[in-house]
Amino acid sequence: AQSVSQHNHHVILSEAASLELGCNYSYGGTVNLFWYVQYPGQHLQLLLKYFSGDPLVKGIKGFEAEFIKSKFSFNLRKPSVQWSDTAEYFCAVNEKGGKLIFGQGTELSVKP
Amino acid sequence: GAVVSQHPSRVICKSGTSVKIECRSLDFQATTMFWYRQFPKKSLMLMATSNEGSKATYEQGVEKDKFLINHASLTLSTLTVTSAHPEDSSFYICSARSDRGQKETQYFGPGTRLLVL
Repeated sequence: AQSVSQHNHHVILSEAASLELGCNYSYGGTVNLFWYVQYPGQHLQLLLKYFSGDPLVKGIKGFEAEFIKSKFSFNLRKPSVQWSDTAEYFCAVNEKGGKLIFGQGTELSVKP
Repeated sequence: GAVVSQHPSRVICKSGTSVKIECRSLDFQATTMFWYRQFPKKSLMLMATSNEGSKATYEQGVEKDKFLINHASLTLSTLTVTSAHPEDSSFYICSARSDRGQKETQYFGPGTRLLVL
């Protein structure tokens, strides 16, 4: 069965620090990859997604993610975080037409 | 575009009563919608896949008689928690997959917080 693993449960950074959140999945076939963000008290929003093509994907709010097929990874990055990036981040994977499998989530706290 | 709404946003009910939660895709049609449950500090757990005009597909361990799903139109799915008990208290989130464009993307509703007393 597919699974998604986010290694960092809680990350605390100061403003302007660089961010990288890990995401690994287990599935050998073709997958679609997503990062969602959930700001405090708000609903899940799509940050970025990868279906095919350039493995470096740029999303909203300065986020990007790189799909490395050989490592089954889709890590999320941002060069300089802001206090407003404080949120819960979820990596998710599905095979075409299949259900979305979520990782456990990573709580990001950015100190002003 | 791609807005999904849920109603109500919060509901408190007595044990033994039933609660209906609505999920609507406001500006797109969605043959397929999904219902998730999210526990505090936990990830989203898929409960069922709701298909317009047919029966929902439930995940293993989810009681179909307790969590009734109806997908009556291309923009509306409802989840009814029947004979609710305190352990059903949770945050229920729906998502919808657009019938057009990039069909693999799910758009999420704001969630419904259910508290069963």
